[in-house]
Amino acid sequence: AQSVTQLGSHVSVSEGALVLLRCNYSSSVPPYLFWYVQYPNQGLQLLLKYTSAATLVKGINGFEAEFKKSETSFHLTKPSAHMSDAAEYFCAVSEGGGADGLTFGKGTHLIIQP
Amino acid sequence: GAGVSQTPSNKVTEKGKYVELRCDPISGHTALYWYRQSLGQGPEFLIYFQGTGAADDSGLPNDRFFAVRPEGSVSTLKIQRTERGDSAVYLCASSLDTGALNEQFFGPGTRLTVL
Repeated sequence: AQSVTQLGSHVSVSEGALVLLRCNYSSSVPPYLFWYVQYPNQGLQLLLKYTSAATLVKGINGFEAEFKKSETSFHLTKPSAHMSDAAEYFCAVSEGGGADGLTFGKGTHLIIQP
Repeated sequence: GAGVSQTPSNKVTEKGKYVELRCDPISGHTALYWYRQSLGQGPEFLIYFQGTGAADDSGLPNDRFFAVRPEGSVSTLKIQRTERGDSAVYLCASSLDTGALNEQFFGPGTRLTVL
């Protein structure tokens, strides 16, 4: 069975500082990995995804994530936080190439301090 | 173009009642997914359709939950004899096809409250 663990239900950073949101996964087969963002009163939006191509994946809004098989991690980073990045972030895994639905982590609420 | 839409946006019902939640996917998307998001949790997979058929319903919690997609477009999630524990945001997503290369586009959700 697949699972996702997101360390830290809340992360607070200053505007302009590095953003690091942690995600570790468990999967019995090579996984597909995703990061989604959820702004208040909006639907989930895909930030980026890893599908066994390049291990460093670049997404929208300046975010990127690196797949590290040895650490079973897929941490999300952004060099410089912006106030508009304040949102809920979800890491998700799929073993079936997306066909079997996604397994999500509990989410990390990102707070940006001015 | 129009995204995934869900109606109603909010539904309040009493314990024991029957409810239906509707999802209109993006036009042309063959795959449709239902998820449930409880307070403070990530979305939890319920069921997905490829066309008209339910390809995987392993996430439905019990037989009070049922979903249909009779014409391969609009889907309805049906909950019988609702319980307070069913209170959550029910999310629908659609994708052009199944497979990780096909992005799942999510609707805004239906917030269900069972009193």
